[in-house]
Amino acid sequence: EAQLVESGGGLVRPGGSLRLSCAASELTFSNHAMNWVRQAPGKGLEWISYISGRNTTIYYADSVKGRFTISRDNSKNLLFLHMNSLKAEDTAVYYCATSFIDAFHIWGQGTMVTVSS
Amino acid sequence: SYELTQPPSVSVSPGQTARITCSGDALSDQYTYWYQQRPGQAPVLLIFKDDERPSGIPERFSGSTSGTTVTLTISGVQAEDEADYYCQSADSSGSYVFGSGTKVTVL
Repeated sequence: EAQLVESGGGLVRPGGSLRLSCAASELTFSNHAMNWVRQAPGKGLEWISYISGRNTTIYYADSVKGRFTISRDNSKNLLFLHMNSLKAEDTAVYYCATSFIDAFHIWGQGTMVTVSS
Repeated sequence: SYELTQPPSVSVSPGQTARITCSGDALSDQYTYWYQQRPGQAPVLLIFKDDERPSGIPERFSGSTSGTTVTLTISGVQAEDEADYYCQSADSSGSYVFGSGTKVTVL
């Protein structure tokens, strides 16, 4: 069964940086577009970034554009989210998810990022 | 991007039908997707392309659309259906948007 496992979350000070990883297994990773979706405590889901299977297309939500960078290593079945200039409002559970025809099919269990001094 | 509007909460008795609406200007031109999220868990895709069910999703979950409003219907609600439900769509710029979410309470 296909599985996604996020890691790299933790406590970081405002203005700091963090890199999240998402490890994929039991799927042909390069065939899947990937996304990061976050959920602030007690709040709804927010899509933040997309990367196509072959790395040719990338999109960001306005809330993270210029601060976050999505990337992938298809040789290692890994997805990344590099987060810079972190703010308190970036505090959330971060999920990676596959997408196909605009739907998010497979989700990881999420990793918590807390931005606080 | 644009907004998708959902009611904050819906309450329903076991065995009854719950209907959750999602409204947005672009929904007449874009497919809508629905997700269920139980407390402490990741979301699960329930409905794709307005009204199709992925394999493994019970038949009591169905989707429909009318103009700029789409509806998720849960027929014969069970206690395990108590969860948050989100609609989601895409816009022409490549962005995705989620609805605000609806908490379904089974009385």
